[in-house]
Amino acid sequence: NAGVMQNPRHLVRRRGQEARLRCSPMKGHSHVYWYRQLPEEGLKFMVYLQKENIIDESGMPKERFSAEFPKEGPSILRIQQVVRGDSAAYFCASSQGSYNEQFFGPGTRLTVL
Amino acid sequence: AQTVTQSQPEMSVQEAETVTLSCTYDTSESDYYLFWYKQPPSRQMILVIRQEAYKQQNATENRFSVNFQKAAKSFSLKISDSQLGDAAMYFCAYRETSGSRLTFGEGTQLTVNP
Repeated sequence: NAGVMQNPRHLVRRRGQEARLRCSPMKGHSHVYWYRQLPEEGLKFMVYLQKENIIDESGMPKERFSAEFPKEGPSILRIQQVVRGDSAAYFCASSQGSYNEQFFGPGTRLTVL
Repeated sequence: AQTVTQSQPEMSVQEAETVTLSCTYDTSESDYYLFWYKQPPSRQMILVIRQEAYKQQNATENRFSVNFQKAAKSFSLKISDSQLGDAAMYFCAYRETSGSRLTFGEGTQLTVNP
């Protein structure tokens, strides 16, 4: 049973470009969470999604960031017009239900030049 | 808002010795979950141990155990017989029983010396 998969593992973008980060949850999991880890800091919650629904986006920056989890396919975290401050590791986690254990993916390290 | 504080940015321990990592948290909830996660250089987040607040008994997983002091809002992790593979960043995390998001502390970098 494959774990949570994230791709790409490393992503380099220039300022102003768009970044798309993908997360495939574990088999049987329909709940996805995105967290961001800035250098030398702990993980910070960004957004919680179920299939086709955003449940809690209170941790998402108001501009440039969006997330989706379509009926088919992976969850996508999209960052438009990236800036250097977006450079971080972005982790996805999935769970079977709202209150079940969250399993983390290996993360995507975004570097903005 | 809930907060989680890890006051030790770095800790070191000799191989085979015991080390305790500290964590305090702030919440007005009476029921919640607490976790310790390990993040090795690969950056993969690995769940080490979990504690339900309503349980008085401290959780134990092999060489890892916690000291949960609910009144003091303290949740320390004890690693016994430390091994080189224990070297990693350790994060304390909190989650409400009725919530889904995890709130993490800033982490403690553990070094294990041979």
